[in-house]
Amino acid sequence: NAGVMQNPRHLVRRRGQEARLRCSPMKGHSHVYWYRQLPEEGLKFMVYLQKENIIDESGMPKERFSAEFPKEGPSILRIQQVVRGDSAAYFCASSPLDSYEQYFGPGTRLTVT
Amino acid sequence: TQLLEQSPQFLSIQEGENLTVYCNSSSVFSSLQWYRQEPGEGPVLLVTVVTGGEVKKLKRLTFQFGDARKDSSLHITAAQPGDTGLYLCAGGRYGNKLVFGAGTILRVKS
Repeated sequence: NAGVMQNPRHLVRRRGQEARLRCSPMKGHSHVYWYRQLPEEGLKFMVYLQKENIIDESGMPKERFSAEFPKEGPSILRIQQVVRGDSAAYFCASSPLDSYEQYFGPGTRLTVT
Repeated sequence: TQLLEQSPQFLSIQEGENLTVYCNSSSVFSSLQWYRQEPGEGPVLLVTVVTGGEVKKLKRLTFQFGDARKDSSLHITAAQPGDTGLYLCAGGRYGNKLVFGAGTILRVKS
């Protein structure tokens, strides 16, 4: 009964490069959420997706950030042209249909040098 | 904007003591989750409360959801060093994003 999987666990990128973060939800879960935890700040919602649909992206920065959850394969959070301020822990959570509960993955720690 | 205020921010106690962490909001939530997070790891779900006035117990942990569904508390009895960690409350609505409190860092000394 595998939990939410995220990879890579750690990612180092230079300014201007692209970062791709992957999330595989728990088996049977159809909803995926991405959150960001900046140093000294709490967890902030970024985007909520179902298969092939973005339901709520109200927490996503308007530029450089995008997310997808294709019919097959993991959900991807993509950050283009990374800047130092993007350095943070990015967490993915999944939930089953008709549930309040969200289960989190171990996170991806992104460091921009 | 829904906000969740957690208090205290930091708590350092001796093993065997009791403690309570509070989570308050001016907004009504459909559900309230409590998570515990260890350094370098993701939050681990402890409990979900959905009914006003609901009380749930998990071994030495007691969770309560306020009658008006705007606040919650986590009470730990006879704390142990293994309880050390960051405790987060999160409010949500059905099938929607969670709003997190800033967290309470608990340190239990042996």
